[in-house]
Amino acid sequence: GQSLEQPSEVTAVEGAIVQINCTYQTSGFYGLSWYQQHDGGAPTFLSYNALDGLEETGRFSSFLSRSDSYGYLLLQELQMKDSASYFCAVERADKLIFGTGTRLQVFP
Amino acid sequence: GAGVSQSPSNKVTEKGKDVELRCDPISGHTALYWYRQSLGQGLEFLIYFQGNSAPDKSGLPSDRFSAERTGGSVSTLTIQRTQQEDSAVYLCASSVRTGGADGYTFGSGTRLTVV
Repeated sequence: GQSLEQPSEVTAVEGAIVQINCTYQTSGFYGLSWYQQHDGGAPTFLSYNALDGLEETGRFSSFLSRSDSYGYLLLQELQMKDSASYFCAVERADKLIFGTGTRLQVFP
Repeated sequence: GAGVSQSPSNKVTEKGKDVELRCDPISGHTALYWYRQSLGQGLEFLIYFQGNSAPDKSGLPSDRFSAERTGGSVSTLTIQRTQQEDSAVYLCASSVRTGGADGYTFGSGTRLTVV
C-alpha cells in the first residue's frame, strides 16, 4: 500500500528553525509536495521536489531522498503566522496521496 | 475566476437525504480533484477529472458517491442517502494539468454535517 508518515505535532519558538519529516512506504512516484493549511482554511501549495536534493523558496526549503524513502520541510526564521498544519504528498498515477499531517505551533 | 470556488460553504442535512456539492475551478485548469478531510485528519482522495473524464474513481467510498464534470469546468459531487460517517469537509482542487509539479489550488471546502 501507500503510506506517508509525519509527526503529529511539532512546537518551536519565533525565530527558530524547524524540520518536519515525511517518511513513506511507496515506490514509483514522480515527486514529493508540501502543503500548508491554517485552521479552517484551504491547503496551499508550498513546494515540489521532482529530484533528490534540496529546493529552496524563501524561508522554506524542501528535501527529498528517494534512496532513504524520506523527505523533509525546513522552515527558517519562524513567525507566528507559520502556525498551521503541514502535509507532505506523493504524486502517483496523476494524483496526490497526502500524509497524515503535522501540526506546527509557534510560540513567542 | 481568480480562485477555486465551492458551494455551499456549509451544509447540514438529515441522514438519508441526498446532497450536491459544487466546485468551480480556475478557468483553464484541465485537472480537477475531490478530496475529503475529517476533523484533524489528512486529505483522503476521492476522484479526479482530466477534462470531463474521470480516469480514477478509486477513492469514492461507496456507490452512494458520484461525481461529474461538464464543459471542462464545473464539477458536482453527489452523495446519496447520506450517513453520519459522511460528515467531513469536502475539498475541491484544480491544476493546470494532472500531477503535482504545478501545485494544486484548493477551494475553501464544503463542510458537510449529517444529523
